[in-house]
Amino acid sequence: DGGITQSPKYLFRKEGQNVTLSCEQNLNHDAMYWYRQDPGQGLRLIYYSQIVNDFQKGDIAEGYSVSREKKESFPLTVTSAQKNPTAFYLCASSIDAGTEQYFGPGTRLTVT
Amino acid sequence: GDSVTQMEGPVTLSEEAFLTINCTYTATGYPSLFWYVQYPGEGLQLLLKATKADDKGSNKGFEATYRKETTSFHLEKGSVQVSDSAVYFCAPDNYGQNFVFGPGTRLSVLP
Repeated sequence: DGGITQSPKYLFRKEGQNVTLSCEQNLNHDAMYWYRQDPGQGLRLIYYSQIVNDFQKGDIAEGYSVSREKKESFPLTVTSAQKNPTAFYLCASSIDAGTEQYFGPGTRLTVT
Repeated sequence: GDSVTQMEGPVTLSEEAFLTINCTYTATGYPSLFWYVQYPGEGLQLLLKATKADDKGSNKGFEATYRKETTSFHLEKGSVQVSDSAVYFCAPDNYGQNFVFGPGTRLSVLP
């Protein structure tokens, strides 16, 4: 079955530690995205990538980093510079930019 | 830039009631329009879409019509079920700029 996987579903970290969230897709999609969702709020775009080895900052990129070395993978690193990292993180992909997006199940990150 | 306005929730309905969730947008050009649904603790799923003016998207009893003249894409369902309880997001999709999701409207359907 084709789809997007995110792991782990729940992640706990101590303040000051970097943490990497995994996102893998086997849909052969060119574009991939990372969003952050806070309780009771909509989605905010962190980073997106329209093609391998290329990515752009979204609205709230500060304190985050990404890589896109393979078409199927788009990991997100939440660095210690991110002031408020506790949130629900959603990864998505689409055939190309501007087409419907398919979402993973999300990773809930808690930093204490 | 592009933006989306959705009616504020939460919306609470009894089972079999009629549902309308309003959505209006501003966007460059003529975007495709989408409704996504998010069930508790999960990612978003595409519910329906419309790609041009006057198109009607439909799925699982939900419908929305692309109204270019009013820049709206209101979501409707004639008879909601408890299983429809979720958060609904409206999103315009202009090529290369599909990054604007509405704030979401939480729907609770009571038995």
